[in-house]
Amino acid sequence: GAGVSQSPSNKVTEKGKDVELRCDPISGHTALYWYRQSLGQGLEFLIYFQGNSAPDKSGLPSDRFSAERTGGSVSTLTIQRTQQEDSAVYLCASSLSGGSFYNEQFFGPGTRLTVL
Amino acid sequence: AQSVTQPDIHITVSEGASLELRCNYSYGATPYLFWYVQSPGQGLQLLLKYFSGDTLVQGIKGFEAEFKRSQSSFNLRKPSVHWSDAAEYFCAVGAHGGSQGNLIFGKGTKLSVKP
Repeated sequence: GAGVSQSPSNKVTEKGKDVELRCDPISGHTALYWYRQSLGQGLEFLIYFQGNSAPDKSGLPSDRFSAERTGGSVSTLTIQRTQQEDSAVYLCASSLSGGSFYNEQFFGPGTRLTVL
Repeated sequence: AQSVTQPDIHITVSEGASLELRCNYSYGATPYLFWYVQSPGQGLQLLLKYFSGDTLVQGIKGFEAEFKRSQSSFNLRKPSVHWSDAAEYFCAVGAHGGSQGNLIFGKGTKLSVKP
């Protein structure tokens, strides 16, 4: 079956612009995660959705970052007034359900964001 | 606070040689430990994981890892590396109090394979 898909694969934007990144999780997966992979920094957790529950936003680096998940499926990560330090690869992952490390997280290929 | 350290940023090995990638973690209790691989242009793929029990765990693609509590380590090994193993490898620990299941990753080790 289809894995996690993300779009666009690459995004170049100018400083100060808003961007939207999309994630389509695996069908039937109720948990969805966003991570950020910056050069030399590894992966940082950003936000977590579980079903229709309120998301865990504890990893979002600033209030310029927000995310939503419509209908418990597709998720959009929005970055407002982008800064150069936002340049990174944004990875989305989904799992059968959250709340347990026993459920493997499946990762998408990521969106590479470049802020000029 | 929990953390994961991968001391080697970049390792080069010859094809057919053995491989060991190091991972050290900081966590008070028994951790949930993972190794992921990221090939160019690909998402992360889970190689193996350790939750409890036998400290030597087997994964996909011929990889294994050994949990050593006394050393706070979870090193990844492979007896004979193939050119297709060239990729970046990430060690991760399950976040403490992370009932949501999010992971804390190391910064990764890039593996190059010489023919």
